[in-house]
Amino acid sequence: SAVISQKPSRDICQRGTSLTIQCQVDSQVTMMFWYRQQPGQSLTLIATANQGSEATYESGFVIDKFPISRPNLTFSTLTVSNMSPEDSSIYLCSVAPSGGLYEQYFGPGTRLTVT
Amino acid sequence: DAKTTQPPSMDCAEGRAANLPCNHSTISGNEYVYWYRQIHSQGPQYIIHGLKNNETNEMASLIITEDRKSSTLILPHATLRDTAVYYCIVRPMNTGFQKLVFGTGTRLLVSP
Repeated sequence: SAVISQKPSRDICQRGTSLTIQCQVDSQVTMMFWYRQQPGQSLTLIATANQGSEATYESGFVIDKFPISRPNLTFSTLTVSNMSPEDSSIYLCSVAPSGGLYEQYFGPGTRLTVT
Repeated sequence: DAKTTQPPSMDCAEGRAANLPCNHSTISGNEYVYWYRQIHSQGPQYIIHGLKNNETNEMASLIITEDRKSSTLILPHATLRDTAVYYCIVRPMNTGFQKLVFGTGTRLLVSP
């Protein structure tokens, strides 16, 4: 299993600013993912962030808007840039310790409100 | 796009079995059925997965039909803490990661 923590747990930001979300895992994992959950909606994968390589973004998400860092096997950051109210969502970090063959573990999420 | 169909909501009395159906009529031979749940204000939690045989663990049982076109997640004795959104997901078990695609899920409400 893997225990994931995220910082901040929630934040209220003004439009046009940027917020960096941190994800810390209690064990080394190769595969890490960032999801977005808009209000009342299901989860949508933003990108896959493997250590030692560039993040791979899903359709509809771009690096300029959601830059990701993955400096080591236990840590990652997601930045939400130039925020607008439409970016108000819960952002979740997730890991797949077994290379994705079995379960994924999710962090508690960061609740972002953009005003 | 999600490849599963689930009822949007279900109710269950505390102590009774909760049976959550999932339709995955287009499932391929190399795809597994996964179940996750998301309790309010928390990240999703893995419950169980299976290929074609029925599976059971400490949380739940998974019953997959012989043609694999549908499955049922069974919580044998539902408690109030089982109130959550339950997601049924199909995903290939190939080498290399295959992303989890979440559908809309079933919102289960367990009442006293």
